[in-house]
Amino acid sequence: GESVGLHLPTLSVQEGDNSIINCAYSNSASDYFIWYKQESGKGPQFIIDIRSNMDKRQGQRVTVLLNKTVKHLSLQIAATQPGDSAVYFCAEALGGGATNKLIFGTGTLLAVQP
Amino acid sequence: GAVVSQHPSRVICKSGTSVKIECRSLDFQATTMFWYRQFPKQSLMLMATSNEGSKATYEQGVEKDKFLINHASLTLSTLTVTSAHPEDSSFYICSSLPPGRDRGYTFGSGTRLTVV
Repeated sequence: GESVGLHLPTLSVQEGDNSIINCAYSNSASDYFIWYKQESGKGPQFIIDIRSNMDKRQGQRVTVLLNKTVKHLSLQIAATQPGDSAVYFCAEALGGGATNKLIFGTGTLLAVQP
Repeated sequence: GAVVSQHPSRVICKSGTSVKIECRSLDFQATTMFWYRQFPKQSLMLMATSNEGSKATYEQGVEKDKFLINHASLTLSTLTVTSAHPEDSSFYICSSLPPGRDRGYTFGSGTRLTVV
């Protein structure tokens, strides 16, 4: 079946550096993408989302880039802080409606070194 | 706003018993609730989709008789793990998409199930 995957299972960065987490998706019909942060023992926390009619969206310290040509999604975190240490998941949905399933990628563990 | 409250957060049960997990939407009507399972160091795997007033839709490979889902009201969906076995030990999480929300799906805090 189709799935969303990540290139790197673990990413280690120095505090203050920028982080880039990548994700490849395979369902070309997906039109809504979300990045989540998950801390140990907790549910996923929304970071930022993007729809397929956009290629970039910025939030506070985070930017999501979408390249539909190569079906690639990335999350950029500026000035990474120790509190950013967590597992990050990209997820995709078709249509973004309430009944549309959200499928998760494999996850990347971000480790921020002080 | 747009909170999904999930209980219990942790539960330990004996093999062969059943465990019920509840997810309540506190400030919106959840017509659809998604149930996920997550094993350690792995991603969230969608188990089933529950719709208020109708039967749940299960993903391939998920036993519907083992994982009973009930969505009797617009604010409550439950997942019952029947005849639990140690291999059912996992982190179970529910999720819903609040109407008009522009911050994606909202998730419960998860339930850590340990079957001994």
